[in-house]
Amino acid sequence: AQKVTQAQTEISVVEKEDVTLDCVYETRDTTYYLFWYKQPPSGELVFLIRRNSFDEQNEISGRYSWNFQKSTSSFNFTITASQVVDSAVYFCALSDRNQGGKLIFGQGTELSVKP
Amino acid sequence: EPEVTQTPSHQVTQMGQEVILRCVPISNHLYFYWYRQILGQKVEFLVSFYNNEISEKSEIFDDQFSVERPDGSNFTLKIRSTKLEDSAMYFCASSTGKRSEKLFFGSGTQLSVL
Repeated sequence: AQKVTQAQTEISVVEKEDVTLDCVYETRDTTYYLFWYKQPPSGELVFLIRRNSFDEQNEISGRYSWNFQKSTSSFNFTITASQVVDSAVYFCALSDRNQGGKLIFGQGTELSVKP
Repeated sequence: EPEVTQTPSHQVTQMGQEVILRCVPISNHLYFYWYRQILGQKVEFLVSFYNNEISEKSEIFDDQFSVERPDGSNFTLKIRSTKLEDSAMYFCASSTGKRSEKLFFGSGTQLSVL
């Protein structure tokens, strides 16, 4: 069975600190996809990244970076120099090749960035 | 950027009543989904829809739920007889392809069953 675990329920940092959100997943499939979504206080789900299981190269997008390690089944998300606007709930999600848009979400990590 | 539109943003109903949640997916998308999020909990898959039929559904999506694409633009979720535990945020999503493409989510409909 597929499962996504985000052990950190809440994180609070002060602006400009770096913060890493952890995501650990379980799947028996060899081909799968991992996602991060952001849910700001307004409630919508905003796509951040999609990574397939064959691409372990880390990715950087501005202040955001993602570290994918198949050996530990982790797909961690780091925000560098956090800002108040980064305050949101962040969800990690998993889907396999055959399940299309059926995403299995983690519980989410609520990030609070204080000025 | 094109977006998925959901109406209404909030819906309050009495237990046992029927509700219809409406969504307008992005126009060139072919795959449509409903997810829900009970307050404070994770987002859960309900159903996927392609080529005018259900592709997959979760255990949550029982006989009380149905989906329809009544015309070329709308995608609806109907709950026939609402229960208190149906209170949640319901998200519609769409994508261009099946292979775990990027899902575009709407802003959600907050359903409150009293």
